[in-house]
Amino acid sequence: NAGVMQNPRHLVRRRGQEARLRCSPMKGHSHVYWYRQLPEEGLKFMVYLQKENIIDESGMPKERFSAEFPKEGPSILRIQQVVRGDSAAYFCASSPLPGLAGDNEQFFGPGTRLTVL
Amino acid sequence: AQTVTQSQPEMSVQEAETVTLSCTYDTSENNYYLFWYKQPPSRQMILVIRQEAYKQQNATENRFSVNFQKAAKSFSLKISDSQLGDTAMYFCAFMKRTGGTSYGKLTFGQGTILTVHP
Repeated sequence: NAGVMQNPRHLVRRRGQEARLRCSPMKGHSHVYWYRQLPEEGLKFMVYLQKENIIDESGMPKERFSAEFPKEGPSILRIQQVVRGDSAAYFCASSPLPGLAGDNEQFFGPGTRLTVL
Repeated sequence: AQTVTQSQPEMSVQEAETVTLSCTYDTSENNYYLFWYKQPPSRQMILVIRQEAYKQQNATENRFSVNFQKAAKSFSLKISDSQLGDTAMYFCAFMKRTGGTSYGKLTFGQGTILTVHP
């Protein structure tokens, strides 16, 4: 049973370009979370999604950032017009449907390290 | 809103000895979960141990145990018989529980870097 997959593992972008980060949850998991980790800091919640629905985006910057989790395919975190301050590690996690056994555990992917030049 | 505070930026311990990492949190919720995650140099987040706030008994997982003080809002992690592989950043995290189910947003502390010396 494959774990949470994220790609790419490393992404380099120049200021003003777009970054697309992908996350495939564990098999059977219907909920996805995105977190950002700035250097030397803890993880900060960004957004919580289920398929075709955003449940909580209270941690997302108001501009340039968007997330989706379509019916088919991976969840995508999209950052438009990247700036140097967007350089960070972005982690995706998944969990089963709330109410199911194990719903309080999030399984993390290996992260995508974004570097903005 | 919940906050999680880890007041020890760095800790070190000799191999085979015991170390305790501190964590305090602030919340108005009564039902919640607390977690300790480990992040080794590979940066993969690994769940170490979890505690359900409505359970008085402290959680244990092999060499890892917690001291959960709900009234004091304290949740420390004790690592016994420390091993070189325990060297990592450790994060304390909070998740609220709504009704009978969890609500997935995790709030993390700033982390404690633990170094185990041979």
